[in-house]
Amino acid sequence: SQQGEEDPQALSIQEGENATMNCSYKTSINNLQWYRQNSGRGLVHLILIRSNEREKHSGRLRVTLDTSKKSSSLLITASRAADTASYFCAAPLSNNDMRFGAGTRLTVKP
Amino acid sequence: NAGVMQNPRHLVRRRGQEARLRCSPMKGHSHVYWYRQLPEEGLKFMVYLQKENIIDESGMPKERFSAEFPKEGPSILRIQQVVRGDSAAYFCASSPTDGFWGNTIYFGEGSWLTVV
Repeated sequence: SQQGEEDPQALSIQEGENATMNCSYKTSINNLQWYRQNSGRGLVHLILIRSNEREKHSGRLRVTLDTSKKSSSLLITASRAADTASYFCAAPLSNNDMRFGAGTRLTVKP
Repeated sequence: NAGVMQNPRHLVRRRGQEARLRCSPMKGHSHVYWYRQLPEEGLKFMVYLQKENIIDESGMPKERFSAEFPKEGPSILRIQQVVRGDSAAYFCASSPTDGFWGNTIYFGEGSWLTVV
């Protein structure tokens, strides 16, 4: 079964707008990670947030984690056309398995 | 420090042939993971290996698929007697220690297998 489930499945916005993607997970986690995947490419690690953190920033990225709701959100501010990609959340399970959701496909129109 | 290296990037096989996908983890990483991504889907865990050991293969199909990570050389994902449904992108990832304890897992660029 999948550990991370992203919402929405697809998101289309104009350049300069903010993009918010959500992720829900099922079991207790030690940390949660967000990745980006451009079409036909590998995954690029964006940010890791630990279970004792509530919010983390990295450049134009802001990630929140609510362990009581078992959810996380990724906010990309002032989006650019180059941000067009699929975004995945992933959380390691206790047996070292990292489970991914189906991803959110973000399209940023110039 | 080179990243996770996968080859081949693209592989075409006829039904019934064997596919071998190779993965060299990042330098200093002894943990390797293989994932499969079907078109328009997320990544599905297949197997987790450390040097010479399979730690968790709960995501591997029971037949035709095998993986190894020898003491020397890259990790190999082997698919015997490929079928069209095996067409997918196969991603390898590595980490210095196990990912559960907060270590980032680094991914390769993937190997795209097409079965014709």
